[in-house]
Amino acid sequence: QVQLVQSGAEAKRPGASVEISCKASGYSFTSHYIHWVRQVPGQGLDWMGLVDPSGGSRNYAPKLQGRVTMTWDRSTSTVQMELRSLQSDDTAVYYCAREGRDSSGFDYWGQGTLVTVSS
Amino acid sequence: QSVLTQPPSVSAAPGQKVIIPCSGSTSNIGKHYVSWYQQLPGAAPKLLIYDNDKRPSGIPDRFSGSKSGTSATLGITGLQTGDEADYYCGTWDSTLSGWVFGGGTRVTVL
Repeated sequence: QVQLVQSGAEAKRPGASVEISCKASGYSFTSHYIHWVRQVPGQGLDWMGLVDPSGGSRNYAPKLQGRVTMTWDRSTSTVQMELRSLQSDDTAVYYCAREGRDSSGFDYWGQGTLVTVSS
Repeated sequence: QSVLTQPPSVSAAPGQKVIIPCSGSTSNIGKHYVSWYQQLPGAAPKLLIYDNDKRPSGIPDRFSGSKSGTSATLGITGLQTGDEADYYCGTWDSTLSGWVFGGGTRVTVL
């Protein structure tokens, strides 16, 4: 069965960086885009960007350009998301999500990773 | 401020129907497929509707989606207590070159 399993919760100081991993299984890793979506506690969903593990393209949300990097490793079917220069308003649950191959929508989601930024 | 507009909350009695609207523009809903997500408390979002009106396997036909112009709607019939959750619409935005979501609608079963 399709699964996206994310790395565990992180606690960071302001100004630090965080890297979250998302390990995919149960399907052909290169056949689907992977997106990152975050959610500040009590608020809505906020799209961060996407990677195409087959073609190498990336697309980041304009407001995160310069602070975010998304990479992937085909050998381990893992996508990583690094966010730099963390501030308190980056405290959120971060999700990876798979986009349908011939359809529009995120059909599988990771369990979420809580990142807490505090001094 | 979300790009897509949803009401913050809707409510109805068990067995009744609710409609959740999602309003956008020509650069998002007007041009691209809409999907809908259910988020139960403490859980990751779950895909309910994709490509405007299609249900993934396992999603009951009590859930339906439609789109007209720059607006979309999610309908839930035969409301159950287990349907109490937050619901989000989402789509691609050509101007922003990214995915956009509505602010979410909390469904309460009275």
